[in-house]
Amino acid sequence: KQEVTQIPAALSVPEGENLVLNCSFTDSAIYNLQWFRQDPGKGLTSLLLIQSSQREQTSGRLNASLDKSSGRSTLYIAASQPGDSATYLCAVSSNTGKLIFGQGTTLQVKP
Amino acid sequence: EPEVTQTPSHQVTQMGQEVILRCVPISNHLYFYWYRQILGQKVEFLVSFYNNEISEKSEIFDDQFSVERPDGSNFTLKIRSTKLEDSAMYFCASTPTETYEQYFGPGTRLTVT
Repeated sequence: KQEVTQIPAALSVPEGENLVLNCSFTDSAIYNLQWFRQDPGKGLTSLLLIQSSQREQTSGRLNASLDKSSGRSTLYIAASQPGDSATYLCAVSSNTGKLIFGQGTTLQVKP
Repeated sequence: EPEVTQTPSHQVTQMGQEVILRCVPISNHLYFYWYRQILGQKVEFLVSFYNNEISEKSEIFDDQFSVERPDGSNFTLKIRSTKLEDSAMYFCASTPTETYEQYFGPGTRLTVT
């Protein structure tokens, strides 16, 4: 059974810092991996999708990497801003499209 | 930019009552999903739907739950007899293919009293 774990559970950094969020999964037979952002009480906003054949994806200040064989992904956020404060969720997809989520990393960026 | 919409944003119901949560997926998408998130817990998969039938469901999705695409635009989740433990945020998602990015709606907060 696929399990997704995110470390750390919470992170507090000063504005401007670069940071890395970690995601690990137990079964490497995934179709893709998706990173989401969730603001308190709100829905999920897709940030990046990495297909299983890809190693990384970039969008603005965000860069996500995928190492399928070791069951790991990282989300790198460059030059963090207070507006980046949110919970970041990692989810892996099976061939049926079902997403299995981690518990998230709650990020606080202090001005 | 097209988006998934959900109604209502918040629903309060009494235990034992039936509720219907509504979703309008993005118009050219073919795969539809329901997930839920109990407060403080992970987002959990409930069911996937394609070509007018359920393609996969989790163990949570028991006989109390049903899904329907009553017309070309709406996608609904029905809970027949709500329990206290059904209180959660329910998210609808859609995607053009099962291996593509899923787009989530803003969610419906269901409170069962």
